[in-house]
Amino acid sequence: SQTIHQWPATLVQPVGSPLSLECTVEGTSNPNLYWYRQAAGRGLQLLFYSVGIGQISSEVPQNLSASRPQDRQFILSSKKLLLSDSGFYLCAWSVSSGRAWNTQYFGPGTRLTVL
Amino acid sequence: AQSVSQHNHHVILSEAASLELGCNYSYGGTVNLFWYVQYPGQHLQLLLKYFSGDPLVKGIKGFEAEFIKSKFSFNLRKPSVQWSDTAEYFCAVNDLRGGADGLTFGKGTHLIIQP
Repeated sequence: SQTIHQWPATLVQPVGSPLSLECTVEGTSNPNLYWYRQAAGRGLQLLFYSVGIGQISSEVPQNLSASRPQDRQFILSSKKLLLSDSGFYLCAWSVSSGRAWNTQYFGPGTRLTVL
Repeated sequence: AQSVSQHNHHVILSEAASLELGCNYSYGGTVNLFWYVQYPGQHLQLLLKYFSGDPLVKGIKGFEAEFIKSKFSFNLRKPSVQWSDTAEYFCAVNDLRGGADGLTFGKGTHLIIQP
């Protein structure tokens, strides 16, 4: 069966520091991968998605970036964190073809607090 | 852009009460619709989904949802709730206009079931 991992689970970082959040998926090949953010009092907002290695699409302009160095690895980064980057970051995956391609399965999330 | 509205942000019910959570979306074309649930301390998980066919879909744990195209709605229902249904519920939509792009989520409904 497929599993999705995210780390770290929680993170407290000062403003201006760099960020790297990692997501890995097991038990599937060539998944679509997604990064979402949930800020306090708001719904989940899609940040990035990827259909393959090195292929990243950005939904929201911001100081975050994403990379997919391997088929089942998706990384969210920032060179300098802002206070507004605080939130709950969720990684998700879906199959890459067929009717079920947009049923997404979510990881446990990373709680990021920027001070 | 697609938008999803969940009208009830906080709902408090007693056990055995009936539940209906509203969800409306904005795009008038073909859509795939989802309800996700996040129990305290757990991952966001799929409750049910609609792709096509019978507009009344049944999910896990006795939940069901009805797609009414004319009303742009996909309301979640359960005839008799249990204390264990306490959770955050999210409605999500994909309007199929893009490729493997992500879901648009509502802001969520926090459901509390009192014993």
